[in-house]
Amino acid sequence: GAVVSQHPSRVICKSGTSVKIECRSLDFQATTMFWYRQFPKQSLMLMATSNEGSKATYEQGVEKDKFLINHASLTLSTLTVTSAHPEDSSFYICSAIPDRDNQETQYFGPGTRLLVL
Amino acid sequence: GQSLEQPSEVTAVEGAIVQINCTYQTSGFYGLSWYQQHDGGAPTFLSYNALDGLEETGRFSSFLSRSDSYGYLLLQELQMKDSASYFCAVHNQGGKLIFGQGTELSVKP
Repeated sequence: GAVVSQHPSRVICKSGTSVKIECRSLDFQATTMFWYRQFPKQSLMLMATSNEGSKATYEQGVEKDKFLINHASLTLSTLTVTSAHPEDSSFYICSAIPDRDNQETQYFGPGTRLLVL
Repeated sequence: GQSLEQPSEVTAVEGAIVQINCTYQTSGFYGLSWYQQHDGGAPTFLSYNALDGLEETGRFSSFLSRSDSYGYLLLQELQMKDSASYFCAVHNQGGKLIFGQGTELSVKP
């Protein structure tokens, strides 16, 4: 199988604090991972592409200094929401492409629900 | 720009067949995928089409016409558990996925 985990699954924080979300591929290596954000009843919006060993590539309109991405190893990518504000409250989902596969299938993590008070 | 269009909601009864259409306009195209998402959950991969034609996986089938920039997901023998949101997604270079707005499917008894 191909399992992706995220931690934490749910986090509540105060405005102005930073929150780190981890995305792990449990049974495969992934040079490439992706981070998405999803607001209620809306689509998944790609935020950035996380590449092991190089800088993340951010989509237009996503602030790289606010959403810090670190792809520390072939099984771990982290997203840090810095100085979080209530408008950052959302469902953050990561996905990973197994290095052994072609690029047809992305496996998604279970998501992290962030609430900023 | 890039855009994908799919109906916002569809309602059907158990045992029926339903088709969810997706039209797309993108700058790069490597294939079309379909994902299912239940409330509060992660998207689950259903199918992928890179070439024109029909792909069948159990009760689900997916079709693609690259010349028409169009695809659809066909769900047969609907079950209550199929009630969920369904997203089409275009594959861009580098494995990036661009998602449609999603279709909320309600299956009634």
